[in-house]
Order: sequence, then structure tokens, then C-alpha cells
Amino acid sequence: ELKVEQNPLFLSMQEGKNYTIYCNYSTTSDRLYWYRQDPGKSLESLFVLLSNGAVKQEGRLMASLDTKARLSTLHITAAVHDLSATYFCAVDGGNAGNMLTFGGGTRLMVKP
Amino acid sequence: IAGITQAPTSQILAAGRRMTLRCTQDMRHNAMYWYRQDLGLGLRLIHYSNTAGTTGKGEVPDGYSVSRANTDDFPLTLASAVPSQTSVYFCASRKTSGSYTQYFGPGTRLTVL
Repeated sequence: ELKVEQNPLFLSMQEGKNYTIYCNYSTTSDRLYWYRQDPGKSLESLFVLLSNGAVKQEGRLMASLDTKARLSTLHITAAVHDLSATYFCAVDGGNAGNMLTFGGGTRLMVKP
Repeated sequence: IAGITQAPTSQILAAGRRMTLRCTQDMRHNAMYWYRQDLGLGLRLIHYSNTAGTTGKGEVPDGYSVSRANTDDFPLTLASAVPSQTSVYFCASRKTSGSYTQYFGPGTRLTVL
């Protein structure tokens, strides 16, 4: 059974600081997704990582994938208040339905 | 506007009642999914469909059924609702070629009393 763990679960940080969210998963996969969810809203796709060593960047967010370590990271550079949200990683277990298993989410609060 | 619509937006339901949550997409995506989101548990897959006419069970299928009569619609039915089915339900869809991203609908907040 595929398990996906994120840490930290909650992160409070000051504007301008850097931080990393970690996503560990338990079985082999080379497809990993990062989503953002604002309170009371739906999930918005941020990144799709499809191979070992994949790195993608969008603004202040950068995601990477190490399939050998079964680890993905979401790095936040010089955080701003608008990045406050819950971030989820999700792993495609390679099954017939391309079903995603989600981590529990990291709630990020960026304080002025 | 292209995307996924879900109905209703929210619903309060008495235990034992039957309820169908509707999901429609106009992106001609082959695959569709139903998830539930509970506080502290992230999203868990209920059922999925890779193409019209086929469905499959996800992680938490008990108490739910789905059908996929056509490409656009993927309704989720609770035959006899129980309080543990109180949750936020998200429908998602994905192209099955050229893209792996699942796109999510706005969600339905369901409360079973």
C-alpha cells in the first residue's frame, strides 16, 4: 500500500524567509504532483514531476523529485503573504487508474 | 467556460437518505475521479473511471457507487447516507494522453446528520 507523508504539517514563517516542505512516499513511483489549496477552495495544480531529478520552478516555488530516495521537496524562496495556503503532494502509484495518493498537506502561514 | 462543475455546492442530509452528487466536465477528459477530503486526512480516492462505461474502486469505496454513461458526467451516489460520510467531495478529471495532471472541481460540502 502506497503511503505518502508530508512534513511539516503546519508551518508559520515570516515574509522574506526560505523554507522547504518535504514529501516522502513508500513505493516506487516517478510521477509526483504538487497542489495548492486556499481555504474553502478547490485544488490548483502547481507542478508535475515525471522523472528522477526533475526540477520545476514557478515564481518563489521550486519543486524537485528524487525517485531513488522516494522524496520530493517544495522549496519556498523569500516567502510572501500570498503564498499562505495548504500544499499537498500526491503520488501516482502506477496503477491502472493512475490513481493519486495524497499526503496529509502542509498548512503554510506567511506572516508580514 | 471550460472546466469541471459540481452540484450541489453544499447539502445537509438526514442519515439514511439517498443522495447523488453531480459532476460534469467539458474538457473531453477520459478519466474522472471522486475524492473525499477530511480534516487531517488529505484527499482519499473513492471511485474512478478511466473512460466512459468503466469504473473502478479507490481507497474508500464502501457506501458509494458511481456510473459513467458518457464522457462528461460522473455522478456519485450515497445509497443510504451515514454521518461518517460528512465530508467535502471533489470531482477531478484528466486527459489520458499527453498530460498526467488531474484537474479538480469546486467541491461539494456534505453534512449528514
